[in-house]
Amino acid sequence: GEDVEQSLFLSVREGDSSVINCTYTDSSSTYLYWYKQEPGAGLQLLTYIFSNMDMKQDQRLTVLLNKKDKHLSLRIADTQTGDSAIYFCAERGAEEYGNKLVFGAGTILRVKS
Amino acid sequence: NAGVMQNPRHLVRRRGQEARLRCSPMKGHSHVYWYRQLPEEGLKFMVYLQKENIIDESGMPKERFSAEFPKEGPSILRIQQVVRGDSAAYFCASSILTGENEKLFFGSGTQLSVL
Repeated sequence: GEDVEQSLFLSVREGDSSVINCTYTDSSSTYLYWYKQEPGAGLQLLTYIFSNMDMKQDQRLTVLLNKKDKHLSLRIADTQTGDSAIYFCAERGAEEYGNKLVFGAGTILRVKS
Repeated sequence: NAGVMQNPRHLVRRRGQEARLRCSPMKGHSHVYWYRQLPEEGLKFMVYLQKENIIDESGMPKERFSAEFPKEGPSILRIQQVVRGDSAAYFCASSILTGENEKLFFGSGTQLSVL
């Protein structure tokens, strides 16, 4: 089956860059996603990348995909206190697993001012 | 366009009671997913429904749990005879497009506490 792993916690200073890493097991994943969850709220889609891309940039967010190593990262430039949240990596599973999204356990990002 | 609406936000039940969680998808969305989030864990898939059909229930416990998405009205996740281990946040997500890139929009969740 599929599995998605993330580091549990990251602490950065305001203004620094944050890099959140994720590894996945399903080599047939077509899309990979990053979601953000603020306290008491649902998940908000931040960005996604198609598996034939290496990089995608969206304002302060940069997604890097190393398909060979099944490694995905999310870089947040100029991290702000409002970026403090839990960040979830998710892969869109293969058709044999029903194409559903499989989530990692989430990385808690804490931004210190 | 209102987002995915879940209610109640918080639900407290005693062991043995029934819990009903409701989810109204975004307007025009015909696909609903239910996920469960336990403390310090990621979201675990439970069930995927289209209107009047259960497409994939591979993540649903075999007993006590059921889900429906009727032609009219919200999707309902029903847990019978709740136990303490059912305490979790239950999230609903809806989408409009199936295919290779399906964007899920999540509700704010229902926090179920079983006493």
